[in-house]
Amino acid sequence: RKEVEQDPGPFNVPEGATVAFNCTYSNSASQSFFWYRQDCRKEPKLLMSVYSSGNEDGRFTAQLNRASQYISLLIRDSKLSDSATYLCVVGPRGGKLIFGQGTELSVKP
Amino acid sequence: GAVVSQHPSRVICKSGTSVKIECRSLDFQATTMFWYRQFPKQSLMLMATSNEGSKATYEQGVEKDKFLINHASLTLSTLTVTSAHPEDSSFYICSAEWGGYTFGSGTRLTVV
Repeated sequence: RKEVEQDPGPFNVPEGATVAFNCTYSNSASQSFFWYRQDCRKEPKLLMSVYSSGNEDGRFTAQLNRASQYISLLIRDSKLSDSATYLCVVGPRGGKLIFGQGTELSVKP
Repeated sequence: GAVVSQHPSRVICKSGTSVKIECRSLDFQATTMFWYRQFPKQSLMLMATSNEGSKATYEQGVEKDKFLINHASLTLSTLTVTSAHPEDSSFYICSAEWGGYTFGSGTRLTVV
């Protein structure tokens, strides 16, 4: 079993759609959780950290369920510029990060 | 914010040669840096953790004699791919922790 598993993609959605990404992790001792965005041939960029209480940043909402070891990312009113690969990332408190395989999102006009 | 500068961004080399990749933390001191590798359509896989002033810690399956890591100062870590082969062609990227995590811009290595 992979340490971090994400929905297989790609997701192809029209502009304005709402899209949800799911992620599960295997290490119950994990302490830090993130969603990163990676554009083609570029380095990953932090989209948002994920907290137990859930958190929202504009059109993006992230949730964490520690009991189920499950993380989600919801994108509302998707834009063309949201097209990218979204990486679920899990880590201990400090230290190395474990990346999911990524879910590719393509937003079409 | 914290910036990590990675060079070169792209390199093409012949089989059997060695390639050095540098990562510098520009506005903070990085006691620890992480080196990742990403093959096409795959996720980033941690190769090793680079510790300033001590030996790097390698992940299982990563050859330490092939991927030489040096972290001689608090602002510079280097990864040298020795005797490169075409299967070493990949996207190599470093990151450092400063409170959050920041990534270098990556190096695309092509071995011909």
